[in-house]
Amino acid sequence: AQSVTQPDIHITVSEGASLELRCNYSYGATPYLFWYVQSPGQGLQLLLKYFSGDTLVQGIKGFEAEFKRSQSSFNLRKPSVHWSDAAEYFCAVGRTGAGSYQLTFGKGTKLSVIP
Amino acid sequence: DTGVSQDPRHKITKRGQNVTFRCDPISEHNRLYWYRQTLGQGPEFLTYFQNEAQLEKSRLLSDRFSAERPKGSFSTLEIQRTEQGDSAMYLCASSLAGQAYEQYFGPGTRLTVT
Repeated sequence: AQSVTQPDIHITVSEGASLELRCNYSYGATPYLFWYVQSPGQGLQLLLKYFSGDTLVQGIKGFEAEFKRSQSSFNLRKPSVHWSDAAEYFCAVGRTGAGSYQLTFGKGTKLSVIP
Repeated sequence: DTGVSQDPRHKITKRGQNVTFRCDPISEHNRLYWYRQTLGQGPEFLTYFQNEAQLEKSRLLSDRFSAERPKGSFSTLEIQRTEQGDSAMYLCASSLAGQAYEQYFGPGTRLTVT
């Protein structure tokens, strides 16, 4: 079964600083990988996804993520954090193969931004 | 706004009562998913529909949980004989059939069982 590990429960950065959120997955084949963001009282919003091809993926809101097969990682990055980026971030993996469309999520990383 | 909507947003119930939540997906989406999110955890997949057919329900947490999508549009999730452990956020998502992994989530229904 696939699993996702987000090692950092809570990260605090200063506004304008760079950000990297870590995600490691466990899955036998090449997975589909996702990052979602959840703000208080809001649903999850898809930031970016990786299916195949270029391992550096660009998303919305200035985020990017890099798939590294050798490290089973899909870390999320942003060069300069804005106060509005404070939220909880979830990494997720989707199983490839017919008939299964469930996403498996990590436990999330809460991001706090210091003005 | 044509996003995924869920009703109610909050529900407080007493243990042993039945509750039903509604999800209205994005209108052109034919796939609909239910997830549960407990405090400090990521969402956990429960079940999904393609049109009115429930194609995966083995992950429903117990036989007290059931879901329907009778006309292939909105869906309901029912929990019978609620227990305190059912307290959680219940999330609904929808997608197009050809883009099943691009799931758009609603704001969720927060259930508190007292």
